[in-house]
Amino acid sequence: AQKVTQAQTEISVVEKEDVTLDCVYETRDTTYYLFWYKQPPSGELVFLIRRNSFDEQNEISGRYSWNFQKSTSSFNFTITASQVVDSAVYFCALSEARYGNKLVFGAGTILRVKS
Amino acid sequence: NAGVTQTPKFQVLKTGQSMTLQCAQDMNHEYMSWYRQDPGMGLRLIHYSVGAGITDQGEVPNGYNVSRSTTEDFPLRLLSAAPSQTSVYFCASSPGTAMNTEAFFGQGTRLTVV
Repeated sequence: AQKVTQAQTEISVVEKEDVTLDCVYETRDTTYYLFWYKQPPSGELVFLIRRNSFDEQNEISGRYSWNFQKSTSSFNFTITASQVVDSAVYFCALSEARYGNKLVFGAGTILRVKS
Repeated sequence: NAGVTQTPKFQVLKTGQSMTLQCAQDMNHEYMSWYRQDPGMGLRLIHYSVGAGITDQGEVPNGYNVSRSTTEDFPLRLLSAAPSQTSVYFCASSPGTAMNTEAFFGQGTRLTVV
């Protein structure tokens, strides 16, 4: 069975601090996809990134970066120089390759960025 | 572009009542699914569909029915609402297997069962 663990329930930082959100996953599939979604206080789910299991390159998008390590089954997300607008719930998710809409989500990490 | 549209946005039901949550997408996506979001548990898959006429159960299907008569619509039916079904419900769609991209989510329906 697939499983995603986000051990950090809530993180509070002060603006401009860097913060890393942890994600550990379990799957028996050799081909799978990993995702991060952001849920701001308004409630919608905002897609941030998709990574397939064959691509272990780290990715950077502005202040956001992702570190994918198959050896430790982790897909961590770092926000550099955090801003108040980054305050949200962040979800890590996993899907099998065959059915992209069968997502298994972690419990989410609440990030609070204080000014 | 409407994307994925869910109606209603808010609903209050009495225990035992039935209702249908509507979900429509205009992106011609093959895949559609329903999730519920509960505090501290992330989103959990209720039912999903890989195409018109094809549905299957997810992780938490009990108390819910779905049908997929058209590509565009994927309604979720609560047969006899229970307080345990108080939750936020999200519908999602995504292209088929050959184009495995992210799921596109609706705005959510906040359901309270009293």
